[in-house]
Amino acid sequence: NAGVTQTPKFQVLKTGQSMTLQCAQDMNHEYMSWYRQDPGMGLRLIHYSVGAGITDQGEVPNGYNVSRSTTEDFPLRLLSAAPSQTSVYFCASSYLFGDYPQYFGPGTRLTVL
Amino acid sequence: GENVEQHPSTLSVQEGDSAVIKCTYSDSASNYFPWYKQELGKGPQLIIDIRSNVGEKKDQRIAVTLNKTAKHFSLHITETQPEDSAVYFCAASPRDDKIIFGKGTRLHILP
Repeated sequence: NAGVTQTPKFQVLKTGQSMTLQCAQDMNHEYMSWYRQDPGMGLRLIHYSVGAGITDQGEVPNGYNVSRSTTEDFPLRLLSAAPSQTSVYFCASSYLFGDYPQYFGPGTRLTVL
Repeated sequence: GENVEQHPSTLSVQEGDSAVIKCTYSDSASNYFPWYKQELGKGPQLIIDIRSNVGEKKDQRIAVTLNKTAKHFSLHITETQPEDSAVYFCAASPRDDKIIFGKGTRLHILP
């Protein structure tokens, strides 16, 4: 099993550009989520999904969109990138959300100029 | 609101000594407490977890203790080794659709 994969590993954007961060898992997990990690802030939840076709907002959803058309994939879209979105983004999946282990991807380091 | 406080933010210990990281949580409904280790340039990885019906759990050099009355839990690493250097996150789950992370502890193992 590849586990949770994320692409790209690094990305530089200009303010106002849009892009999609890809996330895929091959563990047949129903729950998937996106976090951003900033220095001193820990992991903050952006959006999550409890299954295909179902998504919900986390702690910091503004400026991001998600969709879940399949169990395997959970892309994160930045609609109009801003410098405040410079961060490291992690995708995670789990058998059940919350009270089960989360499996994290390797992360995408995004810089917005 | 729901919160997980983690201390210290940075910890340096001599190789071979023990390291202890402490977390407190605010929601008494929390019933699942995982610990994650994040090495440089990688995603967090689960190292140990404990549920509220258990007071202590051990896995080789790593142990976690839980005090539900005081709403705190701790990670203990004994006989520390250079590869233990990393950032460690605690987390608490107050219900099955929510998990709250602490802000992390950067552990340095000194030679």
